Amino acid sequence: QVQLQQSGPGLVKPSQTLSLTCAISGDSVSSNTAAWNWLRQSPSGGLEWLGRTYYRSEWYNDYAVSLKGRITINPDTSKNQFSLLLNSVTPEDAAVYYCARDRLGMGYWGQGTPVTVSS
Amino acid sequence: DIVMAQSPLSLPVTPGEPASISCRSSQSLLRSDGYIALDWYLQKPGQPPQLLMYLGSNRASGVPDRFSGSGSGTDFTLKISRVEAEDVGVYYCMQLIQTPLTFGGGTKVEIK
Repeated sequence: QVQLQQSGPGLVKPSQTLSLTCAISGDSVSSNTAAWNWLRQSPSGGLEWLGRTYYRSEWYNDYAVSLKGRITINPDTSKNQFSLLLNSVTPEDAAVYYCARDRLGMGYWGQGTPVTVSS
Repeated sequence: DIVMAQSPLSLPVTPGEPASISCRSSQSLLRSDGYIALDWYLQKPGQPPQLLMYLGSNRASGVPDRFSGSGSGTDFTLKISRVEAEDVGVYYCMQLIQTPLTFGGGTKVEIK
């Protein structure tokens, strides 16, 4: 059974970097058939895809252009996890952040991390 | 970016009756291999979204057969043949034909 366990702080100061990790069990971050995604849900309820990392003989990343180069998603094969770094956060980045595995649909999600941006 | 438009915004339903949700994309979601690059999700309060349908018309594991997905090109429909109380929540469509992956605004299904 695949499980995704998120960790990371729920409070980030403006202009600082949000860092979250998604630990994978029951699958491998190096899987050739899955993609590992970060998404967020704003207080108003809308779902926004942030980016993904996946391995197909080499590593690939795709990011939402709207994040304007502030985002990095890194796989960590030694710990079988992947991380999200979002720098220069503003109050508009406050949301519930989710990781999810996409393999014929995003069938597995992390539990969600509510993130507040405040000094 | 591909814009996904869902309707209705809210859908009051009667248990045992059918229900239908529409999703329209600003560009075709037909892949070169013939599959439709559209997924459907249901989010219940306090939970992450759960996958209902993938590639347009394929039910995810464990999803009851009262759920069905159809459509082609830019117009898609999720149908529930007989609504049950456990089907309440917010339904989202999501396109995955190109990045950024984008979601519809959601349809809230509630029992009358």
